[in-house]
Amino acid sequence: QVQLQESGPGLVKPSETLSLTCTVSGGSITSDYWSWIRQPPGQGLEWIGYIYDGGSTKYKPSLRSRLTISLDTSKNQFFLNLRSVTAADTAVYYCASWKSGWYGDYWGQGALVTVSS
Amino acid sequence: DIVMTQSPDSLAMSLGERATINCKSSQSILYSSNNKNYLAWYQQKAGQPPKLLIYWASTRESGVPDRFSGSGSGTDFTLTISSLQAEDVAVYYCHQYYSTPHTFGRGTKLEIK
Repeated sequence: QVQLQESGPGLVKPSETLSLTCTVSGGSITSDYWSWIRQPPGQGLEWIGYIYDGGSTKYKPSLRSRLTISLDTSKNQFFLNLRSVTAADTAVYYCASWKSGWYGDYWGQGALVTVSS
Repeated sequence: DIVMTQSPDSLAMSLGERATINCKSSQSILYSSNNKNYLAWYQQKAGQPPKLLIYWASTRESGVPDRFSGSGSGTDFTLTISSLQAEDVAVYYCHQYYSTPHTFGRGTKLEIK
């Protein structure tokens, strides 16, 4: 069974970069699709983007100018970098296995990131 | 972007009752070449990540109780819980994966009356 775990700073200052790591066990990130999704406090789910085929990416257009998703196959990890953050980027960030680029079959527990000075 | 509209926003039902949640997409999410509807349903309990219940609009994920069922095609979809149990209290989301960016409904909060 695939397991995912998010890690990274819980507090980021406005205008700085939000960086998260997702560590995957029970599956290889060289195959299939791996997504980031976020959920602002008390709100719904927002798909951010995914990485697949060992490094190809697809991003939500409204975030594309600030977003990079990458991976490290040697550590079986993938990463989220979101630049120039504002309070609107405050959310629980989830990483998930995205079956063949379709739906999220395995999810991490989530990491709360607060953007505040 | 495809907009997913869920209704109702919240629902309070008694134990054992049938609960129905609706989801409408702003365009068809039925792919004609394979006759599949690119729609999933998730359950999110308080403080937990979403859990996949249904994909391809009506295929139940392994381990999901058979009281959960999905139906619909094209633009109109339904998640039905045939006999509500206490552990079904959660927020339910629909999700279209027909095109990127993937989008979700705003969620339906299900409570026990």
